[in-house]
Amino acid sequence: GAGVSQSPSNKVTEKGKDVELRCDPISGHTALYWYRQSLGQGLEFLIYFQGNSAPDKSGLPSDRFSAERTGGSVSTLTIQRTQQEDSAVYLCASSRVGRAGETQYFGPGTRLLVL
Amino acid sequence: KQEVTQIPAALSVPEGENLVLNCSFTDSAIYNLQWFRQDPGKGLTSLLLIQSSQREQTSGRLNASLDKSSGRSTLYIAASQPGDSATYLCAVRRGSGYSTLTFGKGTMLLVSP
Repeated sequence: GAGVSQSPSNKVTEKGKDVELRCDPISGHTALYWYRQSLGQGLEFLIYFQGNSAPDKSGLPSDRFSAERTGGSVSTLTIQRTQQEDSAVYLCASSRVGRAGETQYFGPGTRLLVL
Repeated sequence: KQEVTQIPAALSVPEGENLVLNCSFTDSAIYNLQWFRQDPGKGLTSLLLIQSSQREQTSGRLNASLDKSSGRSTLYIAASQPGDSATYLCAVRRGSGYSTLTFGKGTMLLVSP
């Protein structure tokens, strides 16, 4: 079946503009995670959804960042008034819990460049 | 706060060499540890997952070990090939069920023919 998909794959925007990043998880996965990978940095956790609710949004770096998930499926990460330091790869993962515990499946990411 | 460190940051080897990538974590209270591979422009591919009760896992030419008490894991790659060139990421999970992953910054590996 299809894996996690993200769109757009690349986004170039001007400082101060708003951007929306989309994640389509694997069908049936109830959990969805957003991570950010900045140049020279490891992946950092942003927000976690269980169904449509976000029990952990502790990783969002500022109030310019928000995310929502609808229908227990697609999620959108919105960055308002983008800054140059927001430039990074934004990765989405969806997961299921099996006998071996949770397995997260990652999408290809959206590469965001803020000029 | 959990911190994950990977050494070296970059590694270049000729084809055929055996190599070891290192990962250390500061909080030994982990549920499991996972090694991923990341190719340029691609997402993460899971390579090996070691439960906290396990000492090692093997898949083909890859062997990962875990010493939870000392906060260390190693990824051993035997007979490296140019196709192994990628960034290797180590991540730890704190709890069972749904849990965020804490990642290291990765080791960028280049295997030359």
